[in-house]
Amino acid sequence: KQEVTQIPAALSVPEGENLVLNCSFTDSAIYNLQWFRQDPGKGLTSLLLIQSSQREQTSGRLNASLDKSSGRSTLYIAASQPGDSATYLCAAQPYNTDKLIFGTGTRLQVFP
Amino acid sequence: DVKVTQSSRYLVKRTGEKVFLECVQDMDHENMFWYRQDPGLGLRLIYFSYDVKMKEKGDIPEGYSVSREKKERFSLILESASTNQTSMYLCASSSSTTYNEQFFGPGTRLTVL
Repeated sequence: KQEVTQIPAALSVPEGENLVLNCSFTDSAIYNLQWFRQDPGKGLTSLLLIQSSQREQTSGRLNASLDKSSGRSTLYIAASQPGDSATYLCAAQPYNTDKLIFGTGTRLQVFP
Repeated sequence: DVKVTQSSRYLVKRTGEKVFLECVQDMDHENMFWYRQDPGLGLRLIYFSYDVKMKEKGDIPEGYSVSREKKERFSLILESASTNQTSMYLCASSSSTTYNEQFFGPGTRLTVL
């Protein structure tokens, strides 16, 4: 059974730092991996989706990588800003299902 | 832009009431999902639907039912609300033609008294 883990559960950094959020999954048989952002009390916003055949995706200051063989994905945030403060979730889609398996998230705080 | 809307942002109901949560998407997606999110438990899938009138149980379907009469609309029904169903409910949709990227609605915070 696929399990998705995110470490650390919480992270606090000063503005301007480059940072990496980690996501690991137990079964490499995935169709894609998706990163989301969630602000308090709100829904999830899709940030990046990496297909299984891809190694990385970039959007602005965000870069997500995928290494299926090691069961890991990372989300890199460059030059962090206070507006980046949110919870970041990763989710893996196993083969033969349309469902996502979610991690429990990393709560990020960027202070001025 | 994909739009997923939910009928209410906040809802307060009494124990035993029948509750309807509505979700509408405007991107002609085949797949629609209902999740609940609770502190410390993360997102848990309640039900999903991969076509009109088709549904499949998720991880925690007990106490819930769903309805999908039209492609764009997916309803979650609490037949007899209980206090342990107090939660944030999130709806999402996806299409296999866009690699099943899931798009979420704003959520409904349901409180059952």
